[in-house]
Amino acid sequence: DQQVKQNSPSLSVQEGRISILNCDYTNSMFDYFLWYKKYPAEGPTFLISISSIKDKNEDGRFTVFLNKSAKHLSLHIVPSQPGDSAVYFCAASALGNMLTFGGGTRLMVKP
Amino acid sequence: GAGVSQSPSNKVTEKGKDVELRCDPISGHTALYWYRQSLGQGLEFLIYFQGNSAPDKSGLPSDRFSAERTGGSVSTLTIQRTQQEDSAVYLCASSQEAGSRNEQFFGPGTRLTVL
Repeated sequence: DQQVKQNSPSLSVQEGRISILNCDYTNSMFDYFLWYKKYPAEGPTFLISISSIKDKNEDGRFTVFLNKSAKHLSLHIVPSQPGDSAVYFCAASALGNMLTFGGGTRLMVKP
Repeated sequence: GAGVSQSPSNKVTEKGKDVELRCDPISGHTALYWYRQSLGQGLEFLIYFQGNSAPDKSGLPSDRFSAERTGGSVSTLTIQRTQQEDSAVYLCASSQEAGSRNEQFFGPGTRLTVL
């Protein structure tokens, strides 16, 4: 049973527009959430995180929103750039333990 | 400084053979993790090491999988009697300490193909 799900395997967005990547989770014990970005033939790199005591965290063009009642989080990238094209993984943890990852969403930003 | 390195980058083996995958973590990082990513799937946790503590092996899928970490640095993941379903990208990560709040730095992975 997947505890972290990314239901959209891919997303295509025009350069300059907003990219919204979604993630749903089932474990109510999750209290920390992260987004990782992965380019082909490279390992994932940390992008942004959010604690369950917050509902929003912003870092430059990247903002993560958390809706605990819906067990849903999203990553907003605005404006999107071609270099943002990658696979994005959502991850969650409970009480500082291991990360549980979603299946990833491939973002393609068209020039 | 150098990041996490893994070797080999690609490994093709025949079903039933044993394979060893190597990970060199970032110097000074006490925590080391192994994950695998099967085709179209997310990252699946396998095992992690924290300092001299006993490793958390809770993610290993079968007893054919084992891992060691020598001297608190280099780690080797061994898969015995490989099966086709073991085909995946095996990723290693390290962090200064264990725990999700410490950023994990990933290596480029080893792509394992079992024929």
